[in-house]
Amino acid sequence: GQNIDQPTEMTATEGAIVQINCTYQTSGFNGLFWYQQHAGEAPTFLSYNVLDGLEEKGRFSSFLSRSKGYSYLLLKELQMKDSASYLCAVMDSNYQLIWGAGTKLIIKP
Amino acid sequence: TAGITQAPTSQILAAGRSMTLRCTQDMRHNAMYWYRQDLGLGLRLIHYSNTAGTTGKGEVPDGYSVSRANTDDFPLTLASAVPSQTSVYFCASSDSSGGATGELFFGEGSRLTVL
Repeated sequence: GQNIDQPTEMTATEGAIVQINCTYQTSGFNGLFWYQQHAGEAPTFLSYNVLDGLEEKGRFSSFLSRSKGYSYLLLKELQMKDSASYLCAVMDSNYQLIWGAGTKLIIKP
Repeated sequence: TAGITQAPTSQILAAGRSMTLRCTQDMRHNAMYWYRQDLGLGLRLIHYSNTAGTTGKGEVPDGYSVSRANTDDFPLTLASAVPSQTSVYFCASSDSSGGATGELFFGEGSRLTVL
């Protein structure tokens, strides 16, 4: 079966750096996505990786290793507004998105 | 810009009743999707439509039906609601004209409680 694993919850301090990991086992691979979802709101797109390596976008970076079935989302200079759930999703060989359950990130002052 | 509009925002429904969740987008996106989100689980695809006039079944289609009469609208119908359909429902769209990039645009969600 297809599976996306990410930690259920993480806690970090304002101003610090946090890395949220995602491992996957899917039928084929056509890209990995990270979405941010604030409580009670809709998910919003953060990043897309299809080739190995690091993609940087401001305070957020996303890394992919296809051979290891592994990605991480790196958040720098954490702000209170970064408190949210972060969803990892993989597009399989049928171009369907398989979603992880999400990682709830709690930022403490 | 409106993007994707869902209605109602929340609803309490008696088991056995029917319900239609409405979804409208103004971005002229080809593809539209209905997901449900339950605590501790990833988003699960119910039905999708790659273009107006076509629909397909997702991971959890049983008990739900959809139609895509035009590009903008993609309603989801529960013919006879059951308590296990209590969930938050998200409608989403994507512009697949440039290839399957997978960037989805979501509506604000419809919280449905079936008693």
